[in-house]
Amino acid sequence: GAVVSQHPSWVICKSGTSVKIECRSLDFQATTMFWYRQFPKQSLMLMATSNEGSKATYEQGVEKDKFLINHASLTLSTLTVTSAHPEDSSFYICSADRGNTEAFFGQGTRLTVV
Amino acid sequence: RKEVEQDPGPFNVPEGATVAFNCTYSNSASQSFFWYRQDCRKEPKLLMSVYSSGNEDGRFTAQLNRASQYISLLIRDSKLSDSATYLCVVNNPGNQFYFGTGTSLTVIP
Repeated sequence: GAVVSQHPSWVICKSGTSVKIECRSLDFQATTMFWYRQFPKQSLMLMATSNEGSKATYEQGVEKDKFLINHASLTLSTLTVTSAHPEDSSFYICSADRGNTEAFFGQGTRLTVV
Repeated sequence: RKEVEQDPGPFNVPEGATVAFNCTYSNSASQSFFWYRQDCRKEPKLLMSVYSSGNEDGRFTAQLNRASQYISLLIRDSKLSDSATYLCVVNNPGNQFYFGTGTSLTVIP
């Protein structure tokens, strides 16, 4: 079946630094990928839709300058958390779909900012 | 208004019990519907898609009512391994997936 690979699976960084998370579709091309954030005991919240070759679409309340998304190829989208702060600590998950079918998720990245 | 509203739970049920989860969605143009299962600290995984005619997969039955914009999941003969969080997921025009808050299920021996 389809596989989406996300890297790294966990990262600890100092406050003020930037962290890049990669999301790759391994056996299919994904023109659209999605980035989610999940705080403890809460559901997944859509942050942004990443479109190959164009700008990402951000959900209301998500700062586009803080969460930089790049979707340079049909198999790779990256999310960069810039100037990370402790409140950005969360579980970040990407997903990709093959056109209205189920969404395939990456393994998630647990970010801790200290 | 949230795109997807889901039973808050948690549900704590004995082994062998039948349990039902409900979910409503706000966008009448929603195209596809799913139930996902998420184990602690793991990514969500598809449990089953939900079709208008209703569909069954072993002990799991999913129902969709488009008129009421309502989705349900029924689990019969609960097993310990069913303990997880169940997420109602809706796919809207623009192919964006929206998740309910999730319902936590614990099956007790």
